[in-house]
Amino acid sequence: ETGVTQTPRHLVMGMTNKKSLKCEQHLGHNAMYWYKQSAKKPLELMFVYNFKEQTENNSVPSRFSPECPNSSHLFLHLHTLQPEDSALYLCASSQEQNRARRDGYTFGSGTRLTVV
Amino acid sequence: SQELEQSPQSLIVQEGKNLTINCTSSKTLYGLYWYKQKYGEGLIFLMMLQKGGEEKSHEKITAKLDEKKQQSSLHITASQPSHAGIYLCGAEGFGNEKLTFGTGTRLTIIP
Repeated sequence: ETGVTQTPRHLVMGMTNKKSLKCEQHLGHNAMYWYKQSAKKPLELMFVYNFKEQTENNSVPSRFSPECPNSSHLFLHLHTLQPEDSALYLCASSQEQNRARRDGYTFGSGTRLTVV
Repeated sequence: SQELEQSPQSLIVQEGKNLTINCTSSKTLYGLYWYKQKYGEGLIFLMMLQKGGEEKSHEKITAKLDEKKQQSSLHITASQPSHAGIYLCGAEGFGNEKLTFGTGTRLTIIP
């Protein structure tokens, strides 16, 4: 366990379903991130939250909707996804954004999403 | 265009041998991070380099950042099966303070 917990670990959903991914950290970090990892592509940053405020939306389609109710929790709400959205979704946290971090980002184990 | 290039993309090494993975940027980096990922899992932080010429070691893994802060290498000495996985470099310094990652190097250790 790294201190960042993601649930579920695996998710299979149909294109008309609505589901949510959850990320939780109790490291006292104030910045949280969603990344998407597809086969043979670099990790893609999707969203950034700093002190509960969204500071980055990296041109992500509206079928992905993030929510950050507090600094410890981050959600990614999914609806009407496409098969090409199948990927590993990783959550990460850090002390705060916009500052060099000696200990890097702490990543969760990810949610393997399959859209059918 | 890819901002961080990693080479090689994959590497198969006999157990006990040494190996090197490279990470190259066309721009000066403010911070360079090395992570390891087991297949389908999250990233485990290895080390972070910030100063030109800096070198850090953790167990049998050594990482260096060149003086110009545009290239880093990760060297594993006497490789073991536990070293197998995907190694990713991440960097700050592309006009923002968020981590951008390379495509990774898949390392396989054969007995």
